[in-house]
Amino acid sequence: KQEVTQIPAALSVPEGENLVLNCSFTDSAIYNLQWFRQDPGKGLTSLLLIQSSQREQTSGRLNASLDKSSGRSTLYIAASQPGDSATYLCAVRRPGSARQLTFGSGTQLTVLP
Amino acid sequence: SAVISQKPSRDICQRGTSLTIQCQVDSQVTMMFWYRQQPGQSLTLIATANQGSEATYESGFVIDKFPISRPNLTFSTLTVSNMSPEDSSIYLCSGMSPYTDTQYFGPGTRLTVL
Repeated sequence: KQEVTQIPAALSVPEGENLVLNCSFTDSAIYNLQWFRQDPGKGLTSLLLIQSSQREQTSGRLNASLDKSSGRSTLYIAASQPGDSATYLCAVRRPGSARQLTFGSGTQLTVLP
Repeated sequence: SAVISQKPSRDICQRGTSLTIQCQVDSQVTMMFWYRQQPGQSLTLIATANQGSEATYESGFVIDKFPISRPNLTFSTLTVSNMSPEDSSIYLCSGMSPYTDTQYFGPGTRLTVL
């Protein structure tokens, strides 16, 4: 059974810092990995999706990497801003017709002005 | 990207009653899912909504408690039946794009059972 772990559970940084969020998964047989952002009381916003054959994806100040063999992904946020404060969730999709997502427990990020 | 809406956005219900949550997607998606997010926790998959047939439930979730319908490619409902306070959660609808494999989520329905 796939298990997804995110470290740290919470992170507080001053504005302008670069930071890295970590995600690890136990079964390397994945179809893809997706990073989401969740604001308090809201749904999830998709940030980046990395296919199993890819090593990284970039969108603006965000860069996500994937090392499937070691079961790890990182989300790098450059020049953090208070508006980046949210919970960041990592999710992996298993191959096959079902293709459900398995979520990590998230990292709660606070960027201090 | 797909835009997903849910109704109601929140509700407060009495124990023993049922609530039906509606989910509408603005474009066709290949797969639709229902998730539950209990307070302070991450998302747990309840079931995959299949068009025109019975949903596929995950371990720990049953059709009698969470009946799901998906009459067409863009609409689905989840009913939470015979509710108890333990059912108080955020329920999220999700759809997967057939073009990008990206999964999109609705804003969620915050349910409180008294």
